[in-house]
Amino acid sequence: NAGVTQTPKFRVLKTGQSMTLLCAQDMNHEYMYWYRQDPGMGLRLIHYSVGEGTTAKGEVPDGYNVSRLKKQNFLLGLESAAPSQTSVYFCASSFGAAGELFFGEGSRLTVL
Amino acid sequence: GESVGLHLPTLSVQEGDNSIINCAYSNSASDYFIWYKQESGKGPQFIIDIRSNMDKRQGQRVTVLLNKTVKHLSLQIAATQPGDSAVYFCAENRANQAGTALIFGKGTTLSVSS
Repeated sequence: NAGVTQTPKFRVLKTGQSMTLLCAQDMNHEYMYWYRQDPGMGLRLIHYSVGEGTTAKGEVPDGYNVSRLKKQNFLLGLESAAPSQTSVYFCASSFGAAGELFFGEGSRLTVL
Repeated sequence: GESVGLHLPTLSVQEGDNSIINCAYSNSASDYFIWYKQESGKGPQFIIDIRSNMDKRQGQRVTVLLNKTVKHLSLQIAATQPGDSAVYFCAENRANQAGTALIFGKGTTLSVSS
């Protein structure tokens, strides 16, 4: 049972490049989330999904897009990366709205 | 504006002491709260949660207290051990038009010295 798996774990981009972070969960969870973590800022919610085919904006959605085409996968896209998007990104999933979130190990993204 | 926050960014304790980490929230409609522990280089791990119809919940060496009157949440760790050194986050389940999601505070770094 792998839980929540994020790929890639590390990535360096140049300003203006695009990329996609993939999150996969094998727990049949309905809810999936993308957070970013910056020093002194805690975890900030980017986007989330309450089920296959749905997405919703979180606290800091600008500059990111997401898709949930399959229940087990939640993709986070950066169309035109900016240095301000340098961060550690965490994906999480949960069975329901008010319940334990299971986190991945994080993806460290650096935008030069 | 609404926020979830912790009173202190850092807390230092001696091994064996009890630790208390505090969190203030401002959304009176939040009905679910949760504490996470994050060790360096790892993803957050669940510690304990509490629903708004309770004011106390206990786990193994941890207790969460909820005071809805003053919108305050605390995590108590008994007999703190060096392995408890980590960043601790509180989170509230906050609703918006799309549904609900956990919103995290900025975290408190707990340092335990032997």
